[in-house]
Amino acid sequence: GAVVSQHPSRVICKSGTSVKIECRSLDFQATTMFWYRQFPKQSLMLMATSNEGSKATYEQGVEKDKFLINHASLTLSTLTVTSAHPEDSSFYICSARPGGRSTEAFFGQGTRLTVV
Amino acid sequence: QKEVEQNSGPLSVPEGAIASLNCTYSDRGSQSFFWYRQYSGKSPELIMFIYSNGDKEDGRFTAQLNKASQYVSLLIRDSQPSDSATYLCAVTMIYNQGGKLIFGQGTELSVKP
Repeated sequence: GAVVSQHPSRVICKSGTSVKIECRSLDFQATTMFWYRQFPKQSLMLMATSNEGSKATYEQGVEKDKFLINHASLTLSTLTVTSAHPEDSSFYICSARPGGRSTEAFFGQGTRLTVV
Repeated sequence: QKEVEQNSGPLSVPEGAIASLNCTYSDRGSQSFFWYRQYSGKSPELIMFIYSNGDKEDGRFTAQLNKASQYVSLLIRDSQPSDSATYLCAVTMIYNQGGKLIFGQGTELSVKP
């Protein structure tokens, strides 16, 4: 299957700082990328849909000014958690979907964010 | 009502048995159905997807879809301890909403040696 690389895999930051997470599709062009958040023992909750060259579409209840998404190229999307707080500590996972009619999405390795 | 529902489990089966995982969804417009496996602390990995009513087999795994009943299941034959994980059901509408995946809460499977 296709490879999606997410970086960093683990990050610890101080409260009030910002953290950037990168998601790259290594062997295909991803017209659409998705960002999910997963709290312990819970399922993946979609945060936003990122389309190359356009603004991200955020799910209800997700603050777009706090979770900045940039999809500047067909192989890279970034999620920046601004002014992080301890309640933002979670497992963040990106997925990328190739263009065309393919519906299969491939997941990155995930980023464990801990805000102290 | 949640869009995608699964029993959270844990579901415990002995090694070699058949594990049956179930999922229901609320949106009749759903078009594609996926089963993912997630080990603790890892991201999900795709096991199977199914689009059409009926059964789809891949090795020890069989996905079953019944759109009339809005029900999709995953059967794991000859279960192995390495199959112990959380299994996530996900649905999507291809042509609406950007094809985003909506996940169920997952079913924890434990296969006992």
